[in-house]
Amino acid sequence: QQQVKQSPQSLIVQKGGISIINCAYENTAFDYFPWYQQFPGKGPALLIAIRPDVSEKKEGRFTISFNKSAKQFSLHIMDSQPGDSATYFCAASKHYKLSFGAGTTVTVRA
Amino acid sequence: SQTIHQWPATLVQPVGSPLSLECTVEGTSNPNLYWYRQAAGRGLQLLFYSVGIGQISSEVPQNLSASRPQDRQFILSSKKLLLSDSGFYLCAWSRDPTNEQYFGPGTRLTVT
Repeated sequence: QQQVKQSPQSLIVQKGGISIINCAYENTAFDYFPWYQQFPGKGPALLIAIRPDVSEKKEGRFTISFNKSAKQFSLHIMDSQPGDSATYFCAASKHYKLSFGAGTTVTVRA
Repeated sequence: SQTIHQWPATLVQPVGSPLSLECTVEGTSNPNLYWYRQAAGRGLQLLFYSVGIGQISSEVPQNLSASRPQDRQFILSSKKLLLSDSGFYLCAWSRDPTNEQYFGPGTRLTVT
């Protein structure tokens, strides 16, 4: 049973556009929500993370929006660049264990 | 700074052969350690985690086992590989009590 549902499976965006990836969870015990970026053949890299007492967190071009009542959170990539082309995973943590979404492959067209 | 190593980077093994993958972390002490498996085009599945030497928790019943013989060393093993064991194996560490997990470069295992 997948505890974190992620959509879309893939998306294509033009350079300079906005990429939006959505995740939803059911378990209200989750207390930490990170996003990871993974390039082909590499391990995932921690991109940005948020805790449920915060509704938004921004780091550079990456922003997490968190809606605790709806049990949803999303990643926004502003001014998307070709170097952002990668697979993005959302995750949720309980007792230091992460449950991952299935991933979203983002392709940025120049 | 902390560094996590995995080896080998790639491995091709026949069905029924044994397996040993190694993960080591440098620059920190008493880390939490994790083994994940990632099937092609899929998310990450937690296999094992360890909060200390000799302490291993299994998340998924399978053909694999894990051991932690030293504080910063984590080993994934199998006595007899199955075709379904093929995948990308990732080791990760975190520093208690934070939840931030940092991943190694991974091992690509192909069972033939």
